[in-house]
Amino acid sequence: QSALTQPPSASGSLGQSVTISCTGTTSDVGGYNYVSWYQQHAGKAPKLMIYEVNKRPSGVPDRFSGSKSGNTASLTVSGLQAEDEADYYCSSSAGSNSLYVFGTGTKVTVL
Amino acid sequence: QVTLRESGPALVKPTQTLTLTCTFSGFSLTSFGMRVSWIRQPPGKALEWLAFIDWDDDKYYSTSLKTRLTISKDTSKNQVVLTMTNMDPVDTATYYCALLRHPYNFFGPWGQGTLVTVSS
Repeated sequence: QSALTQPPSASGSLGQSVTISCTGTTSDVGGYNYVSWYQQHAGKAPKLMIYEVNKRPSGVPDRFSGSKSGNTASLTVSGLQAEDEADYYCSSSAGSNSLYVFGTGTKVTVL
Repeated sequence: QVTLRESGPALVKPTQTLTLTCTFSGFSLTSFGMRVSWIRQPPGKALEWLAFIDWDDDKYYSTSLKTRLTISKDTSKNQVVLTMTNMDPVDTATYYCALLRHPYNFFGPWGQGTLVTVSS
């Protein structure tokens, strides 16, 4: 099972928006509504930001939103704040063989 | 409050077997739907899912690492143990354990991770 494809980097100015894509196949992203997104600050453990494509856990600001179209999922961060600067990873269920697969990761820089 | 904490050796030699322990609190691995998963991250690289064990003692492994991994649990100690055989320098990574709940398919919360270096 190959990793999901994410752009290596993305950036936006304070207060602006940034969108990160996560591209898979019909065997993972396209086949299940089980895409989740994780934020990872340097030297820290990942933190769940979005699950089941577009649901936010309690405590996650509504500036974070998710969507999916076909084999590509997206995470949008609106109203960028300095603390949003981090690495972001998507993940998807991948069926009975591989079960779970992560994305290649995107480093978000707040300008 | 759910917490998880990984422990194990910081350094192992090539060909040795790695044993990692995840000690958790705030839930029981005998409760329906509860699962504990292991995920690793080589320095500067992406996350990789490894395995999980569930409340019913079912075990699931990454296809690419299945022959080297064994996951088990000790419910009396609230611990999940992962062993990985025949360690290689490419296995150098931070190893995380995380809660995974059926029927949900997301990981969280996570432990703080433990860095394992494979070197002679």
